[in-house]
Amino acid sequence: GAVVSQHPSRVICKSGTSVKIECRSLDFQATTMFWYRQFPKKSLMLMATSNEGSKATYEQGVEKDKFLINHASLTLSTLTVTSAHPEDSSFYICSARDRVTGKAQYFGPGTRLLVL
Amino acid sequence: TQLLEQSPQFLSIQEGENLTVYCNSSSVFSSLQWYRQEPGEGPVLLVTVVTGGEVKKLKRLTFQFGDARKDSSLHITAAQPGDTGLYLCAGVTGANNLFFGTGTRLTVIP
Repeated sequence: GAVVSQHPSRVICKSGTSVKIECRSLDFQATTMFWYRQFPKKSLMLMATSNEGSKATYEQGVEKDKFLINHASLTLSTLTVTSAHPEDSSFYICSARDRVTGKAQYFGPGTRLLVL
Repeated sequence: TQLLEQSPQFLSIQEGENLTVYCNSSSVFSSLQWYRQEPGEGPVLLVTVVTGGEVKKLKRLTFQFGDARKDSSLHITAAQPGDTGLYLCAGVTGANNLFFGTGTRLTVIP
């Protein structure tokens, strides 16, 4: 149990285009989902906290107009990278907090974004 | 943002050797977690330590939470090539948010 999926697993896009990444909790409901970014050989940096039915909370230095987060249901959160640039190339990882236990976070497999 | 420093940043050892990874912070956490991450995959939870001074063992891995709940260590006995990966500590705040450490990349040479 407690599986989190991400789609797509890899995406290549041209500079200036927008890319949407989906994060789904497959066998549990998640009122809270988290989005992380990881640069090569670096640790995970929390970008934003996504709460179902409300606006996301962004960490300092993360542009909310560039990284649009939507958490429309208890099992789906999306991250849209708008007007992507090469410096946005990174590994994006989501996690979901189990609504029932309220504590454990389960991580997705990540999405590799390459902006040309 | 909570800052957790891990040391060493990189570690390359021979199979069979022992090693210790440290995770230090100036902040107090309600609990601390250790993850291992393979390239191109999400992190996988290894253990959660909750009580100051707590020691948990997972086969050849021993985890310890500092008495003040600000630091932690991971000790691996007789390392195997399968232990190779990125080890991440993560502090859990009272609000149940995770803040990851800077990471330790371990390579075990056969």
